[in-house]
Amino acid sequence: DAKTTQPNSMESNEEEPVHLPCNHSTISGTDYIHWYRQLPSQGPEYVIHGLTSNVNNRMASLAIAEDRKSSTLILHRATLRDAAVYYCILRRETSGSRLTFGEGTQLTVNP
Amino acid sequence: DGGITQSPKYLFRKEGQNVTLSCEQNLNHDAMYWYRQDPGQGLRLIYYSQIVNDFQKGDIAEGYSVSREKKESFPLTVTSAQKNPTAFYLCASSINRGSGETQYFGPGTRLLVL
Repeated sequence: DAKTTQPNSMESNEEEPVHLPCNHSTISGTDYIHWYRQLPSQGPEYVIHGLTSNVNNRMASLAIAEDRKSSTLILHRATLRDAAVYYCILRRETSGSRLTFGEGTQLTVNP
Repeated sequence: DGGITQSPKYLFRKEGQNVTLSCEQNLNHDAMYWYRQDPGQGLRLIYYSQIVNDFQKGDIAEGYSVSREKKESFPLTVTSAQKNPTAFYLCASSINRGSGETQYFGPGTRLLVL
């Protein structure tokens, strides 16, 4: 699976937008971009995913660069409950259902 | 409520003993997975199963074994051959429809070897 690169940590203030970047310069045409997050001492939870177009759901937005070599997860108004490790993952169609987790970005939200 | 249950939440084992971690799902998902997480690290795939009575090794299968006799159950055995078994173990499941589907995770089991 193609590799992703994320900052180790980021900080935000409560009720401000947060932009979490992810670089994936070796992405292939069949790779989906997935984001999961993991709250302390819990299992990861799905946030959002996309292929080429920007995506929105109730949790977040996903902005995908035109060349698909990078993407940004956008939390529109951060809350204290958004403090978590955020993982950007590429899933290649040929690899079936596997997810390959990196170390992610630790998001701290300040009150 | 539909979901994934893992038991127990904490598990203590003496060195040299085998131990089995339970994972049950009532989501009617075809695929199930086991991951291991060490402190400050991401998840690593141990085993996965895309259909009943079939499973494949992940990236760190040595010292572990699994079975998939029923769709809703995917127990993981940590054997005495696993040299460093203390970790957080996570089970997940998904509908097996391709790389766009999402995985749903259980709450995890923390295994501590004494």
